[in-house]
Amino acid sequence: NAGVMQNPRHLVRRRGQEARLRCSPMKGHSHVYWYRQLPEEGLKFMVYLQKENIIDESGMPKERFSAEFPKEGPSILRIQQVVRGDSAAYFCASSPRGSPDTQYFGPGTRLTVL
Amino acid sequence: GNSVTQMEGPVTLSEEAFLTINCTYTATGYPSLFWYVQYPGEGLQLLLKATKADDKGSNKGFEATYRKETTSFHLEKGSVQVSDSAVYFCALTTNNDMRFGAGTRLTVKP
Repeated sequence: NAGVMQNPRHLVRRRGQEARLRCSPMKGHSHVYWYRQLPEEGLKFMVYLQKENIIDESGMPKERFSAEFPKEGPSILRIQQVVRGDSAAYFCASSPRGSPDTQYFGPGTRLTVL
Repeated sequence: GNSVTQMEGPVTLSEEAFLTINCTYTATGYPSLFWYVQYPGEGLQLLLKATKADDKGSNKGFEATYRKETTSFHLEKGSVQVSDSAVYFCALTTNNDMRFGAGTRLTVKP
């Protein structure tokens, strides 16, 4: 049973470009969480999704950031018009149905904005 | 709101030393408490957890006890190894999201 997959592992974008980060949850997991880790800081919750539904997006910046988890395919975190302050590691976690307190983390995507 | 405060690092120890990393929390309701470990260049791995007061989580020689009276969940290990060098995160969850502490970097020297 493969773990949580994230790709790409490293992403470099220039200011103003779009960044798309993908997360494939563990098989059988229908809950996905996105977190951001700034250098030398802890993880900050961004958004919690189930298939085709955003459950809690209280940690998402109001502009430029969006997330989806379609019926088929991976969850996508999209950052439009990236700025240098978006440079961070973005981690995805998944959990089984009904067990949001047990999350399995992916290896993360490290975004660098030039 | 819910929050976690953990001991600031970095912490540097010699091999076989005793480790304590303090963690206290603020939460409404009855949170579950966790310790995660992050090795260089990797994602977080669950180290141990406790879901109710007085529970003790343990794994790989690490342990932590859920203390409701002091709202704490301190991580301890009796004898650290070089391979324990990593960043350790205390976390809690009550509903849909998980709140993390800022992390404590541990370096163990031979």
